[in-house]
Amino acid sequence: AAGVIQSPRHLIKEKRETATLKCYPIPRHDTVYWYQQGPGQDPQFLISFYEKMQSDKGSIPDRFSAQQFSDYHSELNMSSLELGDSALYFCASSLSPSAGGWPDTQYFGPGTRLTVL
Amino acid sequence: AQKITQTQPGMFVQEKEAVTLDCTYDTSDPSYGLFWYKQPSSGEMIFLIYQGSYDQQNATEGRYSLNFQKARKSANLVISASQLGDSAMYFCAMSSRDSSNTGKLIFGQGTTLQVKP
Repeated sequence: AAGVIQSPRHLIKEKRETATLKCYPIPRHDTVYWYQQGPGQDPQFLISFYEKMQSDKGSIPDRFSAQQFSDYHSELNMSSLELGDSALYFCASSLSPSAGGWPDTQYFGPGTRLTVL
Repeated sequence: AQKITQTQPGMFVQEKEAVTLDCTYDTSDPSYGLFWYKQPSSGEMIFLIYQGSYDQQNATEGRYSLNFQKARKSANLVISASQLGDSAMYFCAMSSRDSSNTGKLIFGQGTTLQVKP
């Protein structure tokens, strides 16, 4: 079965640079979530999209922005990178209950490991 | 506010034995979902099992079962017949099902399980 695709898998950036992470959800899934997992920590919710509209926002810095496109893929844009942004970034997708998904289990991509030097 | 607590930072189990990973939660929402994910050292987040707050029976998925005690607000994961490949970090997570639900997951701190041969 098709899974969530994330690219790139690894990314190394310098401080103050920008980065763009991409996510391709499971086909038919209408909801995308982004999570950030720091070293030795649990994943923290950043932002989510339902049917291409932002549905919720968590602890996402103002330096970060995201969007979901007409083909449902999503991109997380990160600017003015800081050392503390080094983390594993997950994208997850689900099928909403309104679209027949129950439970609306989130399936995670392999993650993008971002290292800021 | 919702909260997930996993009180066991690390656990050891002998191969072929059963092990229980503890998870307690706190929420004021009457409707919620509880999830367990496995994160091997390679980093991916793998969905294991789901329990809905209104489900009458405990969830089971192969060697995984969820001991759901609603009154105690606990959702412990039981892994039977442990295998070496079960060595990983395990996260308990919750999402709300209230009217403003956006499905974001709140994670516990995780439990590292090591299976001994």
